[in-house]
Amino acid sequence: EDKVVQSPLSLVVHEGDTVTLNCSYEVTNFRSLLWYKQEKKAPTFLFMLTSSGIEKKSGRLSSILDKKELSSILNITATQTGDSAIYLCAVGPYSGGGADGLTFGKGTHLIIQP
Amino acid sequence: GAGVSQTPSNKVTEKGKYVELRCDPISGHTALYWYRQSLGQGPEFLIYFQGTGAADDSGLPNDRFFAVRPEGSVSTLKIQRTERGDSAVYLCASSFGWAGELFFGEGSRLTVL
Repeated sequence: EDKVVQSPLSLVVHEGDTVTLNCSYEVTNFRSLLWYKQEKKAPTFLFMLTSSGIEKKSGRLSSILDKKELSSILNITATQTGDSAIYLCAVGPYSGGGADGLTFGKGTHLIIQP
Repeated sequence: GAGVSQTPSNKVTEKGKYVELRCDPISGHTALYWYRQSLGQGPEFLIYFQGTGAADDSGLPNDRFFAVRPEGSVSTLKIQRTERGDSAVYLCASSFGWAGELFFGEGSRLTVL
């Protein structure tokens, strides 16, 4: 059974701090790892990392995939109160016959204090 | 539409009743997914459609749950004989094939009393 573990489960920091969120996974036939941000209801896509794209960056957010360690980190620099959200990590297997469902971790609840 | 639309946004029902939750994906997206999210948990995969057919329904918890997508666009998740444990937010997502990036709807919050 595919498994995704995120840590920490919750984190409170002050505005301007840098945070690192962790995700480790066990999946049969790994294809991709995705990060989502969930503020109220709908998760919104941040990054997708694959064997051919192990590092992504967008503004203050960046992510790295370590296929050897079966893990990924999401970094947020110069945090702002608008970064407060639940950050979800998900992995997708390669079934060979089409797409299967992503397996999500429980998420990291990040709170940025002014 | 511009995004994935789900209705109703909230549904309160009594134990034993039947409910239907609807998802209208982004126009042109061939893949449609249903997930369930309980408080403090990540989304849990239920079922995936590619076109009209269910390509993977391995996440449906039991035979009280069923989903259809008759014309390859709108999908309905059907839950029979609801139980209190079915209470959760039911999220729908769509994508253009398997692009990895799923676009989620706002979800339908189901409360079974």
